[in-house]
Amino acid sequence: ETGVTQTPRHLVMGMTNKKSLKCEQHLGHNAMYWYKQSAKKPLELMFVYSLEERVENNSVPSRFSPECPNSSHLFLHLHTLQPEDSALYLCASSQDGGLAAFFGQGTRLTVV
Amino acid sequence: DAKTTQPPSMDCAEGRAANLPCNHSTISGNEYVYWYRQIHSQGPQYIIHGLKNNETNEMASLIITEDRKSSTLILPHATLRDTAVYYCIVRPTLWPGNTPLVFGKGTRLSVIA
Repeated sequence: ETGVTQTPRHLVMGMTNKKSLKCEQHLGHNAMYWYKQSAKKPLELMFVYSLEERVENNSVPSRFSPECPNSSHLFLHLHTLQPEDSALYLCASSQDGGLAAFFGQGTRLTVV
Repeated sequence: DAKTTQPPSMDCAEGRAANLPCNHSTISGNEYVYWYRQIHSQGPQYIIHGLKNNETNEMASLIITEDRKSSTLILPHATLRDTAVYYCIVRPTLWPGNTPLVFGKGTRLSVIA
């Protein structure tokens, strides 16, 4: 248990569906991140939120829409995804000052 | 881009020490060395980090060379549960603000019974 909880753990969705991934951290951190890990590829940073403001967006397609309503919660809204978006989506949090980031267990997403 | 170089895979006998090397020859003075591991299909797990002194915790030891251009993660008594992909990451510490971790391909460690 890392203090970062992601739901759901598994999700199967059609290409026309709209779904959301949720991340919650109980560590008092002020930064949260979304990463994507496709099969046999390194983790790719998608979004960074610091103090609830988005500070980085790594050329992610608009069909992925993040939301950070407060410092403890992070969402990734999904719509009209493609089969190649099937991957493990990981959330992480950290605190200012460069301390270690902690990851959730991820959501395994399959787009059919 | 990842700023580290790691061997793609290593084997280690159960009960022996696992020594995982990492080259980071372009490391800057304000960059820390972090180690994470990822067991199959789980989220990465933080192991240890250091700046220039050797560090030890309940999981592992981190040995950083004097010139800081390379480091070694040591798992003193490897078990089958240590089978995972191990990532070495260099990351600047900026105050204030956060710098995200950038992952490379890591080293796949297989602990063999």
